[in-house]
Amino acid sequence: KAGVTQTPRYLIKTRGQQVTLSCSPISGHRSVSWYQQTPGQGLQFLFEYFSETQRNKGNFPGRFSGRQFSNSRSEMNVSTLELGDSALYLCASSPRRDGPNTGELFFGEGSRLTVL
Amino acid sequence: AQSVTQPDIHITVSEGASLELRCNYSYGATPYLFWYVQSPGQGLQLLLKYFSGDTLVQGIKGFEAEFKRSQSSFNLRKPSVHWSDAAEYFCAVGFSGGYNKLIFGAGTRLAVHP
Repeated sequence: KAGVTQTPRYLIKTRGQQVTLSCSPISGHRSVSWYQQTPGQGLQFLFEYFSETQRNKGNFPGRFSGRQFSNSRSEMNVSTLELGDSALYLCASSPRRDGPNTGELFFGEGSRLTVL
Repeated sequence: AQSVTQPDIHITVSEGASLELRCNYSYGATPYLFWYVQSPGQGLQLLLKYFSGDTLVQGIKGFEAEFKRSQSSFNLRKPSVHWSDAAEYFCAVGFSGGYNKLIFGAGTRLAVHP
């Protein structure tokens, strides 16, 4: 079974631009979560999508948004990029979002964003 | 608010030595507890989890962890470390109603000397 695939793996943007990151979950997984990883703040939850609906949101400004498609693939978008948005953005999928499998996440390798 | 503390930022052990990584959490009810591992340039991989029941849980790669409610701890252990265990280890807490939102600790970076 293929793992979680994130594209692009690396990208460089300048302040003020916007970026879209893509995530293809493991086949059959309906929950997709996004996390931001930085040296200063560590791993922080951005949002979770399930059945094309945002179910949970972290404490990030509205510049961070996402969506999920009917095939469970997800994208996240960051508008008006700031230097502090430089980070590794990790996507994780899960077959469900409740019950004893809650929190059992399968992570992709991440998209490393550098903002200049 | 929920929080996770990993007191040790870096730990160095010799290959074959035992390992214990510490994790303390703050949460009013019984949390869901996890240990994840991240190798350089990789995503995170689940090592083990605690939901309920037996407080000693076994995971992959020979790791185990013990949930101690009285100490709000969930320490990760391995009796004999291999060089391939060098990585960063993250403790995380989930909670009822939080679904797949996890609160991660800052991580402990493990170095293994031959």
